[in-house]
Amino acid sequence: DAKTTQPNSMESNEEEPVHLPCNHSTISGTDYIHWYRQLPSQGPEYVIHGLTSNVNNRMASLAIAEDRKSSTLILHRATLRDAAVYYCILRDGGNKLVFGAGTILRVKS
Amino acid sequence: EPEVTQTPSHQVTQMGQEVILRCVPISNHLYFYWYRQILGQKVEFLVSFYNNEISEKSEIFDDQFSVERPDGSNFTLKIRSTKLEDSAMYFCASGMGLASSDTQYFGPGTRLTVL
Repeated sequence: DAKTTQPNSMESNEEEPVHLPCNHSTISGTDYIHWYRQLPSQGPEYVIHGLTSNVNNRMASLAIAEDRKSSTLILHRATLRDAAVYYCILRDGGNKLVFGAGTILRVKS
Repeated sequence: EPEVTQTPSHQVTQMGQEVILRCVPISNHLYFYWYRQILGQKVEFLVSFYNNEISEKSEIFDDQFSVERPDGSNFTLKIRSTKLEDSAMYFCASGMGLASSDTQYFGPGTRLTVL
């Protein structure tokens, strides 16, 4: 699986938007970009995924650069419950998800 | 909304004992997985299971580990002769397929403590 690079940590204020970046300069044409998050003491939770176009769901939006070498997970209004580790994962099919260290998101009230 | 469930939430065992971790995947999913996360470290893939066979396993998944789908709903991970270094969170996951667009859904995990 191709490698992703994410900041170690980010901080946000409650009720404000959060943009979590991910670089994946070696992405291949068939790789989907998946985002998961892991709340404290819980299992990873699927957030969103996309290939080329920007994607929206009830949890977040995913903005994908035109060259697909980077993407941004957008939480439109951060809440304290969004404090978690966010993982950007490239998936080219196959069995396993390869987790990196992710970005620790801290949300301040 | 369907979800993956795992039991027990916490298992404490003595070194050398056998443990069985249980999972109930989402009912219409076909692929089943175990991952583990040692405290403070990354989530690591252990094994995937499809059509009653292991389809892929990592180097971590050695002879002390085994998986089984004993009936139509449960998926188990057995660790024979546990070691101190097996202490970790173990997550079960399930998914519909292997395509790059397919997602995996994780359970809440079992915390295994080996004393």
